Amino acid sequence: ETGVTQTPRHLVMGMTNKKSLKCEQHLGHNAMYWYKQSAKKPLELMFVYSLEERVENNSVPSRFSPECPNSSHLFLHLHTLQPEDSALYLCASSQEGWGIDEQFFGPGTRLTVL
Amino acid sequence: DAKTTQPPSMDCAEGRAANLPCNHSTISGNEYVYWYRQIHSQGPQYIIHGLKNNETNEMASLIITEDRKSSTLILPHATLRDTAVYYCIVRVNTGNQFYFGTGTSLTVIP
Repeated sequence: ETGVTQTPRHLVMGMTNKKSLKCEQHLGHNAMYWYKQSAKKPLELMFVYSLEERVENNSVPSRFSPECPNSSHLFLHLHTLQPEDSALYLCASSQEGWGIDEQFFGPGTRLTVL
Repeated sequence: DAKTTQPPSMDCAEGRAANLPCNHSTISGNEYVYWYRQIHSQGPQYIIHGLKNNETNEMASLIITEDRKSSTLILPHATLRDTAVYYCIVRVNTGNQFYFGTGTSLTVIP
């Protein structure tokens, strides 16, 4: 595997379910991100992890819980979601440093909450 | 909050140059201009970035005005596979935040 991978690619869940999204990067990067993309809306940055520490949480509801066990893996744990949480969830990684840190995106997980 | 303004949509004939404009009138001196694109149902893909000089790579050229208040992404010979939403982003200098905005939906027409 190369680049940034995400599993599953599609997920349908009920509002009472608990599920997790997984992201893995094979680029040796030290920063990882979760974005949410709802229909007809811009990408919204949800969480940023740098060197496995959370450095940004853009007022995301607590029903979304991120976990970054190491620099290559990022999870997004989901529980008691709402139908409006249905969206494309994108993971990205970058190599932090002075100057330019281009972000590499995974293909996304298409989440539907019933 | 997105710090850029882009037209919502554009068309371009296949084989012709596609010129995508972006306004970023509040850009700071140490902020870079990035361009990404997102093909339908895929993750965004990096295209190019610049500070104040014009830049070119294998995918595109980036022209930044002298006052840095606007820029243009040029795809020199557009193909059908270039149909995508193109995002112009001004990167906040501190932190790792990219604000994508709504972008320009480019349709390349055969």
